[in-house]
Amino acid sequence: KNQVEQSPQSLIILEGKNCTLQCNYTVSPFSNLRWYKQDTGRGPVSLTIMTFSENTKSNGRYTATLDADTKQSSLHITASQLSDSASYICVVSATGTASKLTFGTGTRLQVTL
Amino acid sequence: NAGVTQTPKFQVLKTGQSMTLQCAQDMNHEYMSWYRQDPGMGLRLIHYSVGAGITDQGEVPNGYNVSRSTTEDFPLRLLSAAPSQTSVYFCASRSRNEQFFGPGTRLTVL
Repeated sequence: KNQVEQSPQSLIILEGKNCTLQCNYTVSPFSNLRWYKQDTGRGPVSLTIMTFSENTKSNGRYTATLDADTKQSSLHITASQLSDSASYICVVSATGTASKLTFGTGTRLQVTL
Repeated sequence: NAGVTQTPKFQVLKTGQSMTLQCAQDMNHEYMSWYRQDPGMGLRLIHYSVGAGITDQGEVPNGYNVSRSTTEDFPLRLLSAAPSQTSVYFCASRSRNEQFFGPGTRLTVL
């Protein structure tokens, strides 16, 4: 069964600090992996999308890594800001299945002063 | 360019009532989908459509109907609401490389 597991479930950090969120997946055959940011009361918004051949992709202060061999991804947030407080969702797509995205349950990040 | 819009934003129903959640997109995307998001669970696919006139079931389709008469609109119908359908519903449309989500509808069934 295709699964996506994220850790930690929740995280509290001080403004200006860095943090790393983890995503492990068992989706096969792998097509791509996406990280989304979901603010409270809003829909998810895409941060990055990575294919099999990519192992690092950045979007401003967000850097995603992918290890397709170990089926792990991480999202690193640098110099966190209060506006980074949100849930971060890892989503994995399987090849040949236009409809099938497997969603993780998300990591809830709170950035405090 | 409004992206994906959903109405209503909030809705309270009584068990057995029916209603339609509206979704529209102005990006001319062929692929649209409906998800529900429940606490402690990832988004789950209810129904999807790969173009006008074509719909298919997702992971949790029971109790929901969809139709796709135009590229822009993809309404989700609850036939007879049940408390188990209390959730936040997201509509999404997809380009070749990206999926765009609407702002969501929070539905409570009493």
